[in-house]
Amino acid sequence: GAVVSQHPSRVICKSGTSVKIECRSLDFQATTMFWYRQFPKQSLMLMATSNEGSKATYEQGVEKDKFLINHASLTLSTLTVTSAHPEDSSFYICSAPKTGAARETQYFGPGTRLLVL
Amino acid sequence: DQQVKQNSPSLSVQEGRISILNCDYTNSMFDYFLWYKKYPAEGPTFLISISSIKDKNEDGRFTVFLNKSAKHLSLHIVPSQPGDSAVYFCAATTTGTASKLTFGTGTRLQVTL
Repeated sequence: GAVVSQHPSRVICKSGTSVKIECRSLDFQATTMFWYRQFPKQSLMLMATSNEGSKATYEQGVEKDKFLINHASLTLSTLTVTSAHPEDSSFYICSAPKTGAARETQYFGPGTRLLVL
Repeated sequence: DQQVKQNSPSLSVQEGRISILNCDYTNSMFDYFLWYKKYPAEGPTFLISISSIKDKNEDGRFTVFLNKSAKHLSLHIVPSQPGDSAVYFCAATTTGTASKLTFGTGTRLQVTL
């Protein structure tokens, strides 16, 4: 099946710093990618839709100035958590639907665990 | 507002028996439902799906049942195997939302020997 990678898999940072997470579709092109956040024992919550060549679409309650999304190419989307605070500590997962494939073929990355001290 | 709910956070089943995982939803606009399986430190992987025009879809050991009037779906795994031990997420989407998925909170399945 298709592969989506994320980097880094784990990051620890100090409060106030910014962290960039990369999401890459390795063997297919993705005009759209999705960013999710999962808190412990909770559901995956959609944060935003990353669109290649245009601005990201954010879900209600997600601060676009805090979570900067850049879809630089058809295989790369980045999520930057700016001025991170401890409450931003979470598991961040990206996904990419394969264009032209059936609706269920949305491929998820392995996730990035962010810990803000 | 949790539009997709999985009320059982965990389930333990003996190997060879049937595992039944349940999912309820509130949004009547959802017309496509999916089950994902997730191992620790990995992203979810697609398992099986069902369209709202059907009430059952079967794929090998996995069967998903949909009861639209009750806004309820279930995933049956039979026979259960130790390798099925994972967290199972139910997800729902609506035609035209470009694959935007709404996930449930997950059920941790433990298949014991």
